[in-house]
Amino acid sequence: GDSVTQMEGPVTLSEEAFLTINCTYTATGYPSLFWYVQYPGEGLQLLLKATKADDKGSNKGFEATYRKETTSFHLEKGSVQVSDSAVYFCALLTGANNLFFGTGTRLTVIP
Amino acid sequence: NAGVTQTPKFRVLKTGQSMTLLCAQDMNHEYMYWYRQDPGMGLRLIHYSVGEGTTAKGEVPDGYNVSRLKKQNFLLGLESAAPSQTSVYFCASSYSINRGQPNEQFFGPGTRLTVL
Repeated sequence: GDSVTQMEGPVTLSEEAFLTINCTYTATGYPSLFWYVQYPGEGLQLLLKATKADDKGSNKGFEATYRKETTSFHLEKGSVQVSDSAVYFCALLTGANNLFFGTGTRLTVIP
Repeated sequence: NAGVTQTPKFRVLKTGQSMTLLCAQDMNHEYMYWYRQDPGMGLRLIHYSVGEGTTAKGEVPDGYNVSRLKKQNFLLGLESAAPSQTSVYFCASSYSINRGQPNEQFFGPGTRLTVL
């Protein structure tokens, strides 16, 4: 079945470090891929998305490229800030209404 | 716009009690969803609705019922709460574009439910 496997955390980085959070997926058909972010005490917010192979989603300095050949959608940021501390979820949308989430990766950025 | 709102924010129940969680959205979205979030398991879909008056089961529907009497509201009911239903519940909504396929979902702030 359709599923998302996400890098387990927690991840702790110093400010201005490079971030990668790995995400791979299994799906039939041609899914859309998303990264959501959850700040403490809040709901999930869409961070970026890609709807077809080789698309690159980007927002707030974060990027992820839809790689069909490796079934991956890794999240990257060149220089993290303390304000990026949150839980990040990779998600896959297939067919009608089915959004599958990874287990989430908690990122803590220290000054 | 308030986006997606959820009521209440927190609730503690005793085993066997019932309650209803309310979700409201002001974006005129056709689709609405209820998820639960548990540690180490991400979010799992409980029920969803593709329009007023329609509902369908998601991945983990047992022990829950839903109703969508108005387009802007989606209610999640627990008839007889169990400790296994202790979780954080998120509502989401989305618009449909492109031949009825759903698009990205907008989430509410969550309801933390504890069942003793």
